[in-house]
This record gives sequence, structure tokens and C-alpha cells, in this order.
Amino acid sequence: EAQVTQNPRYLITVTGKKLTVTCSQNMNHEYMSWYRQDPGLGLRQIYYSMNVEVTDKGDVPEGYKVSRKEKRNFPLILESPSPNQTSLYFCASSPGTGVSGELFFGEGSRLTVL
Amino acid sequence: GNSVTQMEGPVTLSEEAFLTINCTYTATGYPSLFWYVQYPGEGLQLLLKATKADDKGSNKGFEATYRKETTSFHLEKGSVQVSDSAVYFCALTSDSNYQLIWGAGTKLIIKP
Repeated sequence: EAQVTQNPRYLITVTGKKLTVTCSQNMNHEYMSWYRQDPGLGLRQIYYSMNVEVTDKGDVPEGYKVSRKEKRNFPLILESPSPNQTSLYFCASSPGTGVSGELFFGEGSRLTVL
Repeated sequence: GNSVTQMEGPVTLSEEAFLTINCTYTATGYPSLFWYVQYPGEGLQLLLKATKADDKGSNKGFEATYRKETTSFHLEKGSVQVSDSAVYFCALTSDSNYQLIWGAGTKLIIKP
């Protein structure tokens, strides 16, 4: 089944404790992206990647890191999480190097930082 | 830069009512336009899209027409069902085509 898989789905952590949210897609897509969703703010893009070893900042990259060493994986790293990073996070992928095609989303990772 | 404005929700309708969710945009160039839907507890999924002026996207009884003269992409459905209850997002491609510009989302509630 074609899918984007995120882990963990739910996580409660404490300020400053490094964490990684994994994202993996099995559709051989070039483009991958991370978003956060907050009430009243819609979706805001954190980082995106057009292909292996090619990443760029989205609208809200502060406090996050990403890497794209393999085509299928695009982990989101929070080196020192803070309470304002409490949010619902989505990973998405798309065929091609841009977004004019369909974006396929994971089911989301709900992160709470205390 | 490009931007999207969609009507605030929640929008509450009775089953079989006619639905319109407004979406207007500002853009340079010729962006592609999208509607995505998010059902409770799930990720977003593409509902429909249009890539050029006067194109009509349609899916699952929903329609939207790319109107360049009014810079709009309103979502419509003739007869809604309880199962249509979800959050609907309007979006367009950025100039670079590497990002989507998202509206804030409109929550739709359909009552039996």
C-alpha cells in the first residue's frame, strides 16, 4: 500500500530533550516536506526537500533540523524542544521535484513539550 | 508574494444542503489551485485541483472552477452528507513551485 508513515504518532516530552520524528514514504517520491498545524493558523511549512541531499527552509524553520540521506526518509529533528513547538506535525511527499502534483500526507504526529 | 484567503468556519449545514466554501487568492504568474480535505484524526488528502484559468476540478461531488478574473476557487457541492464533515483547505503553488501556500482551513459540520 502506498503510504507516508510517521513515528511516533503521539509524544509527550520535556523542554530540552532532543527528539526525532521519523517519516518514510514507499512511493519513490522526490519531494518531501514537513508541516506543523496549529489552531487558527492552518498549515505552516517547516522544511522541504526536492531530492536526496537537497533541503530548504520553509516558513517556520527555527528550532528544527532535517536531513535527506535516502530518498524514502526525511526525519525531523528537534535539538532542544520548547513548549512553543507543541503542535501537530505532518510529513508529506509528492512525485516530481515540486508541488504541482498531489501531496500525500502521513497521519500526523502530535507532540507535546512540557 | 502569493496568498490565500478562505472563509472562516465553522460552517454548519443540514444534510442535503448546498455547500459553498469561498477561497480567493493573490498571485503572480499562473499558479495551480487545490482543495485538500482533512477528516477527523487523519492527514490531509487531495480533493481536487485545477492548473489553469477556467479549469474545473471535480471529485466526490465537489467542484471548483479556477476563475482568474475574480481570483477565486470556491468549493461547491450540491447536496452534502454527514460524511463530508471535515476541515477543507484551499491552497496554491508558490512562484517557485516548491511550496504550497495554504489557507487557514474551514471546518464543515453537517447535521443529520
